[in-house]
Amino acid sequence: DSGVTQTPKHLITATGQRVTLRCSPRSGDLSVYWYQQSLDQGLQFLIQYYNGEERAKGNILERFSAQQFPDLHSELNLSSLELGDSALYFCASSVGAGVVNTEAFFGQGTRLTVV
Amino acid sequence: ELKVEQNPLFLSMQEGKNYTIYCNYSTTSDRLYWYRQDPGKSLESLFVLLSNGAVKQEGRLMASLDTKARLSTLHITAAVHDLSATYFCAVTPMDSNYQLIWGAGTKLIIKP
Repeated sequence: DSGVTQTPKHLITATGQRVTLRCSPRSGDLSVYWYQQSLDQGLQFLIQYYNGEERAKGNILERFSAQQFPDLHSELNLSSLELGDSALYFCASSVGAGVVNTEAFFGQGTRLTVV
Repeated sequence: ELKVEQNPLFLSMQEGKNYTIYCNYSTTSDRLYWYRQDPGKSLESLFVLLSNGAVKQEGRLMASLDTKARLSTLHITAAVHDLSATYFCAVTPMDSNYQLIWGAGTKLIIKP
């Protein structure tokens, strides 16, 4: 158990809908990363937050947004869903800035299926 | 552009053989991480390499880091079927405490 908790584990929804994925980082970790992993695209970095602020942005679509709350949990919002958004969505956390070791610990992922 | 390149991307090998996975990166960094992922599962941290010349070993896996060459290797000794997985390397650039730049992953299949 990495200490990173993601909910839900599975999600099935229809095209055009909106969903919210939730992530609780390890105790003490300030950074949260979101990743998308699909069969054809591999592991894609979406976005990173550090202590409530956006720090790095990857290949995140405009239909997707995220935030990190004062208690450091994070939510990834996916809207106007398309079939191609079906994937495993991972959250990871690390301690963050000011330390040498930025090793990230991954949650179990949310498997999103858009039908 | 920051790049992390792994090779090979796919490797099929017999049990008992030795092989090496390579991870090259384009930015200055002294922090490199190796992860393992089983199909449909999460990524599990294997090694954390934090300095030039760092070498770490766990069972049949050994990882090393050469920051001057911007190269890390993951060596598999006398492979066994249980090591079949996808292996990822990731790098934190020297000028950033915030980013992890990922390789594409090496899918390793070890045949009995």
